[in-house]
Amino acid sequence: SQQGEEDPQALSIQEGENATMNCSYKTSINNLQWYRQNSGRGLVHLILIRSNEREKHSGRLRVTLDTSKKSSSLLITASRAADTASYFCATDAGGSNYKLTFGKGTLLTVNP
Amino acid sequence: GAGVSQSPSNKVTEKGKDVELRCDPISGHTALYWYRQSLGQGLEFLIYFQGNSAPDKSGLPSDRFSAERTGGSVSTLTIQRTQQEDSAVYLCASSPGQGAGLFFGSGTQLSVL
Repeated sequence: SQQGEEDPQALSIQEGENATMNCSYKTSINNLQWYRQNSGRGLVHLILIRSNEREKHSGRLRVTLDTSKKSSSLLITASRAADTASYFCATDAGGSNYKLTFGKGTLLTVNP
Repeated sequence: GAGVSQSPSNKVTEKGKDVELRCDPISGHTALYWYRQSLGQGLEFLIYFQGNSAPDKSGLPSDRFSAERTGGSVSTLTIQRTQQEDSAVYLCASSPGQGAGLFFGSGTQLSVL
């Protein structure tokens, strides 16, 4: 079964609006990561948040982590058409196991 | 190299043939992952190499799939007796170590006719 699952599956917004995507997972983790994928090929690493961190920022990205609820959110502020992509969360299995498993992703469409 | 390199970028094969997919990770990265992604789906974990440790092969879908990593660098994913359901994009990623982000290659699009 999926360790991380994103919701919504798809999100459509207007340029300039904020986009929020959520990720839930099942077991304890060492860290949680978010990736972006354009055109169905290679993924690009966006941000990594460790299990002892609650919030992290990178440019227009804000990630939160709630280990008690086993959930994370990715907020993209002031979205642009170029942000249109699929966004995936990835979690490891905790302990000494750093194998990463990915959710099915959220398809974000930013309309100009 | 500057990034993770995968070859070929596209592979069309006939059902029953064997295929080899190659991954050149970023120099010095100790961790190497193989995933596959079917159209419109998420990433399915296949195999994970970390340094000289025994690989985690728990994601390989059948014994037709195998992978090796020679000299802690280049990796080859081999699919024997390909089936149509093996058609997917095969993605390789490397990482500088445990707990770090992954750097992905552009993938190999495998089509089994």
